[in-house]
Amino acid sequence: NAGVTQTPKFQVLKTGQSMTLQCAQDMNHNSMYWYRQDPGMGLRLIYYSASEGTTDKGEVPNGYNVSRLNKREFSLRLESAAPSQTSVYFCASSEDRNLPEGTDTQYFGPGTRLTVL
Amino acid sequence: RKEVEQDPGPFNVPEGATVAFNCTYSNSASQSFFWYRQDCRKEPKLLMSVYSSGNEDGRFTAQLNRASQYISLLIRDSKLSDSATYLCVVNMRNTGRRALTFGSGTRLQVQP
Repeated sequence: NAGVTQTPKFQVLKTGQSMTLQCAQDMNHNSMYWYRQDPGMGLRLIYYSASEGTTDKGEVPNGYNVSRLNKREFSLRLESAAPSQTSVYFCASSEDRNLPEGTDTQYFGPGTRLTVL
Repeated sequence: RKEVEQDPGPFNVPEGATVAFNCTYSNSASQSFFWYRQDCRKEPKLLMSVYSSGNEDGRFTAQLNRASQYISLLIRDSKLSDSATYLCVVNMRNTGRRALTFGSGTRLQVQP
């Protein structure tokens, strides 16, 4: 199993350009997530999807859109990139079994390092 | 106030030392707790869950104090390979949140 895969690994954009970050998981997980990580800020949730066909905003959704294409794939789109979106983007998935303690382990992809000039 | 707070460090310790990290969380209704490890320029990976009764995994011991709203991680007999950033993570599912809330991390550097 590859786990969670992300493409591309690195990307440089100019302000105003658009791009889509791809994420796929082969663990048959129900839930998928997009985070961004900035120095000193920790990981912040952008969007998540509890199941195929559903998406919800997280803490920092402005400037992003997402698509849960099927159970395996969850993409993140930047329609008009801005320098403030320079960050490392992580996709994650979890089984989401709704059990009490010690559950909801999230498995992360290797990340996409995005620079917007 | 951040929902999950950690001392950013760095904690510089010699090999073989015992080191402890604490983390505080603001929402008393938080449901489950974790420590994740993140190596430089890599993705976070689950180190261990934190159970109400406390739990141990080899050299690592995690404790939860719900009354004081803090979580701790103790590492005994530190190895060079323990050098990483340790993320305190809280699940606030019962508050309506669907995802985990991450602290900014505590950096550990184990020196020979």
